Amino acid sequence: DIQMTQSPSSLSASVGDRITITCRASQTISTYLNWYQQKPGKAPKLLIFAASSLQSGVPSTFSGSASGTDFTLTISSLQPEDFATYYCQQTYLFPYTFGQGTKLEIK
Amino acid sequence: EVQLVESGGGLVQPGGSLRLSCAASGFMFSSYEMNWVRQAPGKGLEWISYISASGSTVYYADSVKGRFTFSRDNAKNSLYLHLSSLRAEDTAVYYCARKLRARFDYWGQGTLVTVSS
Repeated sequence: DIQMTQSPSSLSASVGDRITITCRASQTISTYLNWYQQKPGKAPKLLIFAASSLQSGVPSTFSGSASGTDFTLTISSLQPEDFATYYCQQTYLFPYTFGQGTKLEIK
Repeated sequence: EVQLVESGGGLVQPGGSLRLSCAASGFMFSSYEMNWVRQAPGKGLEWISYISASGSTVYYADSVKGRFTFSRDNAKNSLYLHLSSLRAEDTAVYYCARKLRARFDYWGQGTLVTVSS
């Protein structure tokens, strides 16, 4: 199975900060990498697909990039509604796998 | 508007069975691959099963293979997940999710399955 190693597991930041979350795949996954945001008690929401494509309706403060098997999610200027948990996911091979999540908290 | 609505969750004893449903609306259901993802309390997301648009191809995570059965009825715009030989570690919120190309673009609100005596 492809392991997705996400870091950090938690992050404390302030409104207006720029933050980056990293996800490393255990083998090549091309750009079959998605990012989701999840708020407590809610379903995950797709933010970024194919490593760097912004899902419709998602603010442009969110961006994604890829370098080999390393993927990053960047939020350029944190807004109050961005404090949530973020997950990466590979859909290159079955079983599809998620990173363990990054909980973004308000400092 | 795309909607996915899960139902069928509840409290079940270890070793028991349950059938979850996911009712789809607002899109051409028969054209889309679908998935189930679960989330144990306080834990991360775990993909558990995939079904092709026609229903002819199904994949499972090792953690549920042989115990869970994923099916669909395209005439009823519905998905079904039959859970059997349930264990405490199957306790989770179960989400159905639509797959568009290589991403899960729409998710249901989830249904909670609790396995406990």
